[in-house]
Order: sequence, then C-alpha cells, then structure tokens
Amino acid sequence: AQRVTQPEKLLSVFKGAPVELKCNYSYSGSPELFWYVQYSRQRLQLLLRHISRESIKGFTADLNKGETSFHLKKPFAQEEDSAMYYCALLNNAGNMLTFGGGTRLMVKP
Amino acid sequence: ETGVTQSPTHLIKTRGQQVTLRCSSQSGHNTVSWYQQALGQGPQFIFQYYREEENGRGNFPPRFSGLQFPNYSSELNVNALELDDSALYLCASSLKENLNQPQHFGDGTRLSIL
Repeated sequence: AQRVTQPEKLLSVFKGAPVELKCNYSYSGSPELFWYVQYSRQRLQLLLRHISRESIKGFTADLNKGETSFHLKKPFAQEEDSAMYYCALLNNAGNMLTFGGGTRLMVKP
Repeated sequence: ETGVTQSPTHLIKTRGQQVTLRCSSQSGHNTVSWYQQALGQGPQFIFQYYREEENGRGNFPPRFSGLQFPNYSSELNVNALELDDSALYLCASSLKENLNQPQHFGDGTRLSIL
C-alpha cells in the first residue's frame, strides 16, 4: 500500500522567512512524487515533480529515499505563496495518485 | 487548450438517492481519474478510466461506478447515497501514453447529502 503523510496541517511564517513543508511517503516501488498547490478560489494545480528537478516560483523539493521524504522548500516566503499544498505519490502503474492531507501555508506581512 | 470541466458545481441529495457527476477531459487527454475530497482532507483516489474501461480503483465500494465515453468524457455514479458521501468530487485528466505528464484537475462538484 502507498501512503503520504504531511505532518503539519498549518504552517504560518512571516514574509521573507524560509519555508519547509514536510512530506513523508511509504511505497514499496520506485516513487514518483509531486507537489500540488491550491490558491484561494482556484483549482488544484501542479507545482513541481521530483523527476523534473526544477525550481518553480522559487520552490524546490528533493527526494530523499533513505528518509522516504520529499520536503518542499523556499528560502524566502512571499505573501502570494499563501495556499494549500498537497504532496502526492504516483504508483508505478501510473494509475493511482495518493495525496497527503495537505498543509495550509500562511505568509504574514 | 480547453481545461477540465465538471458539472454540476453543486448538488444536494438525500440519503438513499443516486447521483451522476460529469467531467469533460482537457483536449488531447485520454485518461480520466476521479477523487473524493472530504472537508479538511486530501483528495482520495476513487478510480481511473482509460479506453472506456476502469484502469485502477481505490478503496471505494461498488456503489461507486463510472463510465468513459468515446470522446474521453466521463461520469461518476454513486448509488444508495450515504451521509459520508458528502464531499468535493474532483476529476483529473491526463494523456496515458505520456507517463511524464501530470494530471490536470477540474474545479470539482460539491455534493451535499441531507
């Protein structure tokens, strides 16, 4: 069975502070991991995926297979980063995306 | 490029009734996945449809069923509705042949069971 855990329901930081949203996973196969974001009154959209190894809106995430983690990081938070963030794992068959419970990020001015 | 569209946006039903939710996939996509998102939780995978057949299923009872049509649009049907079925139902589409392509989500249908 595959499982994704986001231990923090809410993360509140001040503008300009570093941000780290935690994600841990459990999967017996080779994981493909994603971060999705939902801004207020918008649909769920892809933020980044580990195989791309790219930085989107200043966010990065590194897959650590030893710690089974895929934490999302940004060195300097902006107010427009306030949103709901979901970590997700795609199984090897590519037909099941398992989401974590989500973390609400609030960036205060 | 036309995105994923879902209808209706909101729906109110009573226990025991049946409901059908609809989803039009993004142009160029041939696979549709359905998710249930209860309040305060992440989306939970219900099932996926590809080539008009179910192509994977999560931990949901048989009263949750679906269809996919030749134009790749899809329906989610839920029979014998229960109070716990109250949730946001999300549809996502993708291109099966491109394993590197992520799923694109619709706005969802909010279903309330009274």
